[in-house]
Amino acid sequence: GENVEQHPSTLSVQEGDSAVIKCTYSDSASNYFPWYKQELGKGPQLIIDIRSNVGEKKDQRIAVTLNKTAKHFSLHITETQPEDSAVYFCAASTNDMRFGAGTRLTVKP
Amino acid sequence: DAMVIQNPRYQVTQFGKPVTLSCSQTLNHNVMYWYQQKSSQAPKLLFHYYDKDFNNEADTPDNFQSRRPNTSFCFLDIRSPGLGDAAMYLCATSRGGRNEQFFGPGTRLTVL
Repeated sequence: GENVEQHPSTLSVQEGDSAVIKCTYSDSASNYFPWYKQELGKGPQLIIDIRSNVGEKKDQRIAVTLNKTAKHFSLHITETQPEDSAVYFCAASTNDMRFGAGTRLTVKP
Repeated sequence: DAMVIQNPRYQVTQFGKPVTLSCSQTLNHNVMYWYQQKSSQAPKLLFHYYDKDFNNEADTPDNFQSRRPNTSFCFLDIRSPGLGDAAMYLCATSRGGRNEQFFGPGTRLTVL
């Protein structure tokens, strides 16, 4: 089955800096790669996703890149703000979605 | 607004006392999922319904059962909760597989 690894497990940045979270997956059949943000006490919320026929996707301060050959994808957040502080999960989907272990991002004012 | 609703938000039960968690959706999605999430861990898929077809994960304990009486509702039954079952339980929906999943706010289960 699919195995998703996510790094780093914790990330602390200064407000205004960029943050990068990286994930690798094992199943070459995976073709859908979402990123979720989970705030304390809430369910995960989709922030951006990418499909395997696209190499990069951007939505304002958030971008995701996908390298299918290397089986890895990354989340980039620019101009970070304190409200970006949360746990971020990557996932890879074939028939089922498998989540990475999560990255706790802290943005210091 | 279309959404995924979970009730209750907090549930306390006693060791071995059956408990049922509820999920409803107004998105009219055909797939519904139940995840278990323990502290500082990723959500772990327990099972899902694709329309009326039930799909159990291989490592989901028999203690966990699910019912989907109609498109809108899905229930998680824990027959004999143990201390290790204390967790956040998340319901999610999607239109087909390999698509965005919409999560509810979760039910935090405490087992005394």
